[in-house]
Amino acid sequence: GAVVSQHPSRVICKSGTSVKIECRSLDFQATTMFWYRQFPKQSLMLMATSNEGSKATYEQGVEKDKFLINHASLTLSTLTVTSAHPEDSSFYICSARRADEAFFGQGTRLTVV
Amino acid sequence: AQSVAQPEDQVNVAEGNPLTVKCTYSVSGNPYLFWYVQYPNRGLQFLLKYITGDNLVKGSYGFEAEFNKSQTSFHLKKPSALVSDSALYFCAVRDMMGQGGKLIFGQGTELSVKP
Repeated sequence: GAVVSQHPSRVICKSGTSVKIECRSLDFQATTMFWYRQFPKQSLMLMATSNEGSKATYEQGVEKDKFLINHASLTLSTLTVTSAHPEDSSFYICSARRADEAFFGQGTRLTVV
Repeated sequence: AQSVAQPEDQVNVAEGNPLTVKCTYSVSGNPYLFWYVQYPNRGLQFLLKYITGDNLVKGSYGFEAEFNKSQTSFHLKKPSALVSDSALYFCAVRDMMGQGGKLIFGQGTELSVKP
């Protein structure tokens, strides 16, 4: 099946620094990717829809200047958490759509100290 | 608006017994429904989907789900649970109105299978 690779799987950063998370579709091209945030034992909250070659579409309440999304190619989308704070600590998951199915990355556990 | 609901936060089952994880949906038009499973600190794994066709959908790892239009339900089932099935399960519907066909997830149900 289709594979989506997310990197890194785990990152610890200092408060005030920026962290970049990569999401790659390994064996298919994805014009649309999605970024989710998940709190412990809770559902996935869609943050934004990443569109190749154009600006991302952010969900209501998500700060686009804080969560920068770049989808520069058909196989790569990146999420950069800028000026991270402890409240940004969470599990971030990306997804890429192929036909009727969505394929998910392994997730990134971000801890801001 | 499209939505799905999983009424149970947790389901406990003894190994070897049948299991059911419930999901109801609310959509405009025909629903595209999905089930995913998530193990700790991992992404979501696809189990099965309903787009059209037979109401009983068979998926990965012995799971199946029944689409019931009159009850707007899409419950996940397995005839004989395994301890390794213990995980977090999500029902989802595709948002056909929005951009990109994003998935809208239910709250999740934690399945615990005891030996």
